[in-house]
Amino acid sequence: AQSVTQLGSHVSVSEGALVLLRCNYSSSVPPYLFWYVQYPNQGLQLLLKYTSAATLVKGINDFEAEFKKSETSFHLTKPSAHMSDAAEYFCAVSGASSGGSYIPTFGRGTSLIVHP
Amino acid sequence: KAGVTQTPRYLIKTRGQQVTLSCSPISGHRSVSWYQQTPGQGLQFLFEYFSETQRNKGNFPGRFSGRQFSNSRSEMNVSTLELGDSALYLCASSEGLSLDTQYFGPGTRLTVL
Repeated sequence: AQSVTQLGSHVSVSEGALVLLRCNYSSSVPPYLFWYVQYPNQGLQLLLKYTSAATLVKGINDFEAEFKKSETSFHLTKPSAHMSDAAEYFCAVSGASSGGSYIPTFGRGTSLIVHP
Repeated sequence: KAGVTQTPRYLIKTRGQQVTLSCSPISGHRSVSWYQQTPGQGLQFLFEYFSETQRNKGNFPGRFSGRQFSNSRSEMNVSTLELGDSALYLCASSEGLSLDTQYFGPGTRLTVL
């Protein structure tokens, strides 16, 4: 069984400030972890994914996330927020299914608000 | 390459009707997955198809079904619509069944009245 908890349904930051979106996971098998972004009226776009290689994962648009097994966390960070980063962010965990593929379980999402 | 396309983008139906949604994956992608997104339940996996075979299915009633064609295009069908089926239905395609990156379409917004 696997699950994801995203702490904070809304996060508000000022433009130029650090972005930190929190994600904790639970998985009975070695997890694969993802962060997606969703802009209004659009589908999801993959920001980055962890697949058991380096624990610090760099993604698009200067986002990065660190896998911490001891804390079962995969928090997303960005050094400096831009107005264009305002969107919904989803953390997801997956593990091998009986069909041989990796079906993700998504968190409830965190809405990032960026103030000028 | 063109991205994942979904048609129609918006749909309004009444309770009891049925609906068919379509998804065209990125050229060369053989796997198509469907998700339901609602404010109450969030993003939930519906099913996954690979090479015309359903490989995985989420925890949804039998009213939800799907299929995949030889060109990898996929359709999902919902019969006997209920108010709770109102949602954004997202389709995602990937090259294979492993950890290949999933590319999502813009979704079909279904409203059931």
